[in-house]
Amino acid sequence: EDQVTQSPEALRLQEGESSSLNCSYTVSGLRGLFWYRQDPGKGPEFLFTLYSAGEEKEKERLKATLTKKESFLHITAPKPEDSATYLCAVQAWGWAGNMLTFGGGTRLMVKP
Amino acid sequence: DSGVTQTPKHLITATGQRVTLRCSPRSGDLSVYWYQQSLDQGLQFLIQYYNGEERAKGNILERFSAQQFPDLHSELNLSSLELGDSALYFCASSVGSASGRDTQYFGPGTRLTVL
Repeated sequence: EDQVTQSPEALRLQEGESSSLNCSYTVSGLRGLFWYRQDPGKGPEFLFTLYSAGEEKEKERLKATLTKKESFLHITAPKPEDSATYLCAVQAWGWAGNMLTFGGGTRLMVKP
Repeated sequence: DSGVTQTPKHLITATGQRVTLRCSPRSGDLSVYWYQQSLDQGLQFLIQYYNGEERAKGNILERFSAQQFPDLHSELNLSSLELGDSALYFCASSVGSASGRDTQYFGPGTRLTVL
């Protein structure tokens, strides 16, 4: 069974204080690892897809990296508007469909 | 705005009732997915349709059913509702590429409250 664990559950940062969010996964064969951002009461917003170990993607203050067991979302010099829940999800080979298995999320709060 | 639309935004109903949630995918997307998000369970996959046919099933209760119509919009039907069915229900869509590597884009969700 595919499993995704995110840590920490919650993270408080001061504006400008860089940090990393962790996503550990167990999957039979990784088709893709996805990062989403979710604001309260809203739908998840797509950020990145990573397909193979060693791959990195960047967007503004965010950078996602992937190893064979985990992914990190690095946040550089965060701003209050980066406050949200960040969700990690995996998609595995061997399924007829393209379902995503999500982790519990990391709730990020950035104080000015 | 992801391009995925869901109606209604909010739904309040009583136990034992039946409701229908509607989803329109992004233009050009053939796959539609339904997910449930509750406080204690997180985001859980329910079911996927591809071009009108069921492709995959997750932890979907027998009281729940879905379909995708020829115009590619989808409906999720929830019946004999229980208090525990209160949750956010999200629809997502993707192109449905042959490689199986495509991104799911989520709608704004329907918040269901069962009283």
